[in-house]
Amino acid sequence: NAGVTQTPKFRILKIGQSMTLQCAQDMNHNYMYWYRQDPGMGLKLIYYSVGAGITDKGEVPNGYNVSRSTTEDFPLRLELAAPSQTSVYFCASSYSMSGSGELFFGEGSRLTVL
Amino acid sequence: QQQVKQSPQSLIVQKGGISIINCAYENTAFDYFPWYQQFPGKGPALLIAIRPDVSEKKEGRFTISFNKSAKQFSLHIMDSQPGDSATYFCAARARGNTGKLIFGQGTTLQVKP
Repeated sequence: NAGVTQTPKFRILKIGQSMTLQCAQDMNHNYMYWYRQDPGMGLKLIYYSVGAGITDKGEVPNGYNVSRSTTEDFPLRLELAAPSQTSVYFCASSYSMSGSGELFFGEGSRLTVL
Repeated sequence: QQQVKQSPQSLIVQKGGISIINCAYENTAFDYFPWYQQFPGKGPALLIAIRPDVSEKKEGRFTISFNKSAKQFSLHIMDSQPGDSATYFCAARARGNTGKLIFGQGTTLQVKP
């Protein structure tokens, strides 16, 4: 099993450019999440989805958009990139919110905005 | 608004020693408290977790202690090993049907040989 796959692993953007971070999972998980990780700040939830066609904002949604057209894919769109969006982005998925509700993370996408 | 506060930010322990990381939460609407471990260049992975109706959970060298009245929980790593060197995150899961986790700021642990 590939688990959670994120692409690209690294990207440099210029201010004002746009891009999409891709996330795919092959575990048939309903729940998917996007987090950003900044030094000393932990992981902040950007957007999440509880199933295909359903998305909602997390703690830090400004400057981002998501869509969930299939169970497998959960892309994160950055519009008009800003230096404040320089971060490491993690996609995660979970089978259920009951029980352990363990989140499975991808290996991250490191984005630099110059 | 940080709902889960973690300390210390960094920790250095000698091999064989005990590593202790503390977390405090502000919101009572949490139903599950996991700890995640992250190695450089990798995503976080679940290490151990506890529910608020339990005061302690042990898995091998890793123990969570939970104090519901104080809204605090901690991770103890006994007989710390160099392979334990990683970043550790505590988290709290919001009640409801979203499964959202609120993470602490993270603790970078270095275990010296």
